[in-house]
Amino acid sequence: AQKVTQAQTEISVVEKEDVTLDCVYETRDTTYYLFWYKQPPSGELVFLIRRNSFDEQNEISGRYSWNFQKSTSSFNFTITASQVVDSAVYFCALNMNYGGSQGNLIFGKGTKLSVKP
Amino acid sequence: GAGVSQTPSNKVTEKGKYVELRCDPISGHTALYWYRQSLGQGPEFLIYFQGTGAADDSGLPNDRFFAVRPEGSVSTLKIQRTERGDSAVYLCASSFWGGGRNEQFFGPGTRLTVL
Repeated sequence: AQKVTQAQTEISVVEKEDVTLDCVYETRDTTYYLFWYKQPPSGELVFLIRRNSFDEQNEISGRYSWNFQKSTSSFNFTITASQVVDSAVYFCALNMNYGGSQGNLIFGKGTKLSVKP
Repeated sequence: GAGVSQTPSNKVTEKGKYVELRCDPISGHTALYWYRQSLGQGPEFLIYFQGTGAADDSGLPNDRFFAVRPEGSVSTLKIQRTERGDSAVYLCASSFWGGGRNEQFFGPGTRLTVL
């Protein structure tokens, strides 16, 4: 079965702190894709990053970085020097590319991040 | 360019009524997805269109739910005999092509409340 687990329901930090959001996934497939989306209070999901299962290189984009480890089936997301505007619900998602499931995302339950000034 | 749009933004209806929710995908995107998001949960897949045809409708909860995309662009999600448990935010997403590697762009959602 395919599944995404985000064990942290809510995290609260003070501005400028670093914060890591955990994501653990389950899949039997060798080819799959992992995503992170941000859902601010306005409600619209915003795409942040895609990673395919064959690329384990970590990625950095400004204050955001992602750590993909196939050995532990984890795809963690770190925000460095957090800002109030980072406050949102963050979703990790898994996508396969085979058979009938040609692209529907399987989401975790999300982690609500609150950054206080 | 314009993103995914959904109408209405809010819909309040009474139990047993019929509702239609509309999605306008990003121009040129061939793949369209519907998801449902309940409070405190991640979005759950309902149906996926590639062009005009439903490539995967395995997420539709029962036969009260139906969706169409007759011209391969706009899609309508239809819910018959609504129940209170149908209350949720219904999200639409589109991508340039189907398949797992393509990022999906989401609309703002339609908040459905069934009284």
